[in-house]
Amino acid sequence: AQTVTQSQPEMSVQEAETVTLSCTYDTSENNYYLFWYKQPPSRQMILVIRQEAYKQQNATENRFSVNFQKAAKSFSLKISDSQLGDTAMYFCALLNYGGSQGNLIFGKGTKLSVKP
Amino acid sequence: EPEVTQTPSHQVTQMGQEVILRCVPISNHLYFYWYRQILGQKVEFLVSFYNNEISEKSEIFDDQFSVERPDGSNFTLKIRSTKLEDSAMYFCASTTTGFSSYEQYFGPGTRLTVT
Repeated sequence: AQTVTQSQPEMSVQEAETVTLSCTYDTSENNYYLFWYKQPPSRQMILVIRQEAYKQQNATENRFSVNFQKAAKSFSLKISDSQLGDTAMYFCALLNYGGSQGNLIFGKGTKLSVKP
Repeated sequence: EPEVTQTPSHQVTQMGQEVILRCVPISNHLYFYWYRQILGQKVEFLVSFYNNEISEKSEIFDDQFSVERPDGSNFTLKIRSTKLEDSAMYFCASTTTGFSSYEQYFGPGTRLTVT
């Protein structure tokens, strides 16, 4: 079975500080992607960052970076210089590719509040 | 920037009634998905759709559910006889380059409340 676990239901951070959101996953597949999606209040989910499992280098997108530990099946998201607009639900997700599989498997989400 | 849209934003229905949730995927996208999220739980995959047929469906997607692309722009999810446990947020998503494409674009969701 493939699972994604986010162990932090809620987190808060002060503006301009750094915060790390945790995610662990389990899959028996070798070919997969990992994602962090952001869902602001009353808005749709948007992709924050993605990581191809075959790449050793951690993905980075501006203030967002990941720590991908493949052997440990860990995929954490670091947000640097937090901004008020980062307040949102953050979902970690797994996608196996190969064959016809293309559906995302989500964690339960972490609600992040950035405080001024 | 093109977006996936969904209507209605909130639907209230009585148990046993049929509902149709509508989605307009991004216009050049070819692969479509429905997900749902029961309050406080994970977002769960329901079904994927390509070339006018279902590609994959989850255990949740039983005979009460159906999907359709009736007119080349809309993508609908029908629940034939709603149950209380169908109350959830339903998200539509689309992507362009195949099931191995790594970015699915999500709509804002339809909140379905079954009373």
